[in-house]
Amino acid sequence: GAGVSQSPSNKVTEKGKDVELRCDPISGHTALYWYRQSLGQGLEFLIYFQGNSAPDKSGLPSDRFSAERTGGSVSTLTIQRTQQEDSAVYLCASSLETGQETQYFGPGTRLLVL
Amino acid sequence: SQKIEQNSEALNIQEGKTATLTCNYTNYSPAYLQWYRQDPGRGPVFLLLIRENEKEKRKERLKVTFDTTLKQSLFHITASQPADSATYLCALEGRYGNNRLAFGKGNQVVVIP
Repeated sequence: GAGVSQSPSNKVTEKGKDVELRCDPISGHTALYWYRQSLGQGLEFLIYFQGNSAPDKSGLPSDRFSAERTGGSVSTLTIQRTQQEDSAVYLCASSLETGQETQYFGPGTRLLVL
Repeated sequence: SQKIEQNSEALNIQEGKTATLTCNYTNYSPAYLQWYRQDPGRGPVFLLLIRENEKEKRKERLKVTFDTTLKQSLFHITASQPADSATYLCALEGRYGNNRLAFGKGNQVVVIP
């Protein structure tokens, strides 16, 4: 497939556990974005990567959230010690490069923290 | 504070009519504004982009206007079809220099056959 893929598609976890969410951007896309969409809310920006570096981490809601990107491709969003308020859909998007405005979104990972 | 407002009530419209959605923003000076479509259980799909120096942009049955004085964008779907039923999101680029987008909550459209 040529689109952005995310895994897992659904994740149910217990409060206090750590989770890892994965994003495979479109091949060749250097910019990668993570957003969070809570029920009834708009998409909330979390973090942006240009290549492997993250010049903008300002959207991460707490220090329990971290993300990395390796090889300029796959990105992992990690949430440590999950809380119930972390339950949301986590969306990843990529674009060809910074300055290319169209963002291509993956299907999201639906996270439920019990 | 910064706000992006879209109507929270679903727009129910008869097939063949024109659907019009509104996006109002406060305390942003966007270089451009985008509209995305989102279907249940899926990620948003890009539809149209309009820049601050453009008044109107069209793509097939879609038309977007952008009024930087009113701080408003209108999104029109002409000759609406049941397949147009979805949630439509307005998104602004906030001049962060990295295409970081700020999204509205979206407006649902239901096209009735």
